Amino acid sequence: GAGVSQTPSNKVTEKGKYVELRCDPISGHTALYWYRQSLGQGPEFLIYFQGTGAADDSGLPNDRFFAVRPEGSVSTLKIQRTERGDSAVYLCASSLLAGGQADTQYFGPGTRLTVL
Amino acid sequence: SQKIEQNSEALNIQEGKTATLTCNYTNYSPAYLQWYRQDPGRGPVFLLLIRENEKEKRKERLKVTFDTTLKQSLFHITASQPADSATYLCALYNFNKFYFGSGTKLNVKP
Repeated sequence: GAGVSQTPSNKVTEKGKYVELRCDPISGHTALYWYRQSLGQGPEFLIYFQGTGAADDSGLPNDRFFAVRPEGSVSTLKIQRTERGDSAVYLCASSLLAGGQADTQYFGPGTRLTVL
Repeated sequence: SQKIEQNSEALNIQEGKTATLTCNYTNYSPAYLQWYRQDPGRGPVFLLLIRENEKEKRKERLKVTFDTTLKQSLFHITASQPADSATYLCALYNFNKFYFGSGTKLNVKP
């Protein structure tokens, strides 16, 4: 594909609802990262996939957050029982190589999540 | 964990001058460090990468330095243009994670 795509671009939901955010990485990219960015802050690491497996999920804030990448390409970030504090822009990035190999991350445009 | 500090105040400079942005970190020296540009409403765009054993990297009008003793990276844009106006983020890689600073907003005035 031309780049990393994320859907939806905007999501408004009510407190307590479940949401899914989708990321389509660049074809052939092995590594995939999810970040959360609040206004005026830099991206905050959530989870890193190497292929199908989550190599590091230590950034997920609590067990309401979960992410999958079942076939090693598309990834879905799932948030249960959303809270107002979950409102942020969720960014996805992919890279050809694993992070330890000093590779470029390509970011998607993000999904802006608003929890009312 | 890593703490990354970037000047939160906007940097205002005149077109044609050199912009210098600072990134300081605590704790571990990263395996490598990256600089990104982010425009409003968009994801970050990669600019430059520098490894821990490199002192300096250049790409066109961009230059990055990395001093592991000072725990600091400097990012320079020479002959700045209004189109360079954006937020610039530094990111450090340690142990499977990228730690990002909060970014510095650069305003280049014509």
